[in-house]
Amino acid sequence: DAMVIQNPRYQVTQFGKPVTLSCSQTLNHNVMYWYQQKSSQAPKLLFHYYDKDFNNEADTPDNFQSRRPNTSFCFLDIRSPGLGDAAMYLCATSRGGTSVSNEQFFGPGTRLTVL
Amino acid sequence: AQKITQTQPGMFVQEKEAVTLDCTYDTSDQSYGLFWYKQPSSGEMIFLIYQGSYDEQNATEGRYSLNFQKARKSANLVISASQLGDSAMYFCAMREGNTGGFKTIFGAGTRLFVKA
Repeated sequence: DAMVIQNPRYQVTQFGKPVTLSCSQTLNHNVMYWYQQKSSQAPKLLFHYYDKDFNNEADTPDNFQSRRPNTSFCFLDIRSPGLGDAAMYLCATSRGGTSVSNEQFFGPGTRLTVL
Repeated sequence: AQKITQTQPGMFVQEKEAVTLDCTYDTSDQSYGLFWYKQPSSGEMIFLIYQGSYDEQNATEGRYSLNFQKARKSANLVISASQLGDSAMYFCAMREGNTGGFKTIFGAGTRLFVKA
């Protein structure tokens, strides 16, 4: 089945120690998104890629970076995690184009703990 | 101003009964899409139903229906015959056609508890 896969599902890191979260998709979608979601809150968009074009949200801290080496893979790098970065990180994809009907397909998420 | 407003932080419903989750939205675009997603405790966001701004009929998907009232800018989710597995967080979301690019805006969510 076509899907969005995130690895790992659970990640524990130490304060200040860089961490990378990965996302892959078999849907061949043009757009990939990274969201941060804290407990009982709405997902917060960090950035998205349309193909290779990177779009950063204005309020995304510089501590968060992303790479998309090809259509299938996208990575979230947290350069120096702080305690406030502990959250669920959701990867999502959608078809390209301007149609408003393009729903997002989400991965299962990676729950990040910062010690 | 909030683009998507969900005023019910939590809702309880008896198993087998229907429940309505409220959502209002704010946009100046003529073309937009409205979505509902379900998020169980496992964390994955699951797409439930979609309503386009130009759709004249209310969307339905199995036990889910969307009560779309365009003039009131509301897009309430109705779940019929609630099941225990419906207990989850529910997010209303919007994608704007002209100004939104490829972004989806999410509401704060409503946590639904289904009682046996």
